[in-house]
Amino acid sequence: AAGVIQSPRHLIKEKRETATLKCYPIPRHDTVYWYQQGPGQDPQFLISFYEKMQSDKGSIPDRFSAQQFSDYHSELNMSSLELGDSALYFCASSWGQSSYNEQFFGPGTRLTVL
Amino acid sequence: QKEVEQNSGPLSVPEGAIASLNCTYSDRVSQSFFWYRQYSGKSPELIMSIYSNGDKEDGRFTAQLNKASQYVSLLIRDSQPSDSATYLCAVNTGGFKTIFGAGTRLFVKA
Repeated sequence: AAGVIQSPRHLIKEKRETATLKCYPIPRHDTVYWYQQGPGQDPQFLISFYEKMQSDKGSIPDRFSAQQFSDYHSELNMSSLELGDSALYFCASSWGQSSYNEQFFGPGTRLTVL
Repeated sequence: QKEVEQNSGPLSVPEGAIASLNCTYSDRVSQSFFWYRQYSGKSPELIMSIYSNGDKEDGRFTAQLNKASQYVSLLIRDSQPSDSATYLCAVNTGGFKTIFGAGTRLFVKA
């Protein structure tokens, strides 16, 4: 079965640079979630989109923005990168507008900021 | 107090034993509950979801929910070394935001 696709899988950036992470949800899934997971930490919810509209917002820094496109893929844009932004970034997808919907995670993008 | 609390472990059980993982949550309006397994450096993998009080069984896994006590647990029967991972409890209160616990590390000794 098709899974969530994330690209790139690894990314190395310098401080103050920008980064763009991409997420392609499972086919027919219309909701995308972004999470940040630091070493030894639990996944922290950043933001979610349902039917191309922002549906909820968590602890996403103002330096970050995201959107969902007409084909339901999503991009997380990160600017003025800081050392503390180094983490695993996961995208998850689900179908429908319900808290009962199970989220399926992609393999993640490992971002390293030097 | 964290919204979702788990014992960080590590929880060590011998192969073939039952592993019991526990989770408490603070928001009484929470509606849906999930258990994820995460291997080091990998993404969380959904194991079980549970929405109503009682037990839900799927193979070697049983999820238990008690909304009055704001408690959800995961039992793993016949534990295998391949079950060694971090188990994340996740709770949704009705919107799109899912809160994860810090996870319990499980070691299954061969």
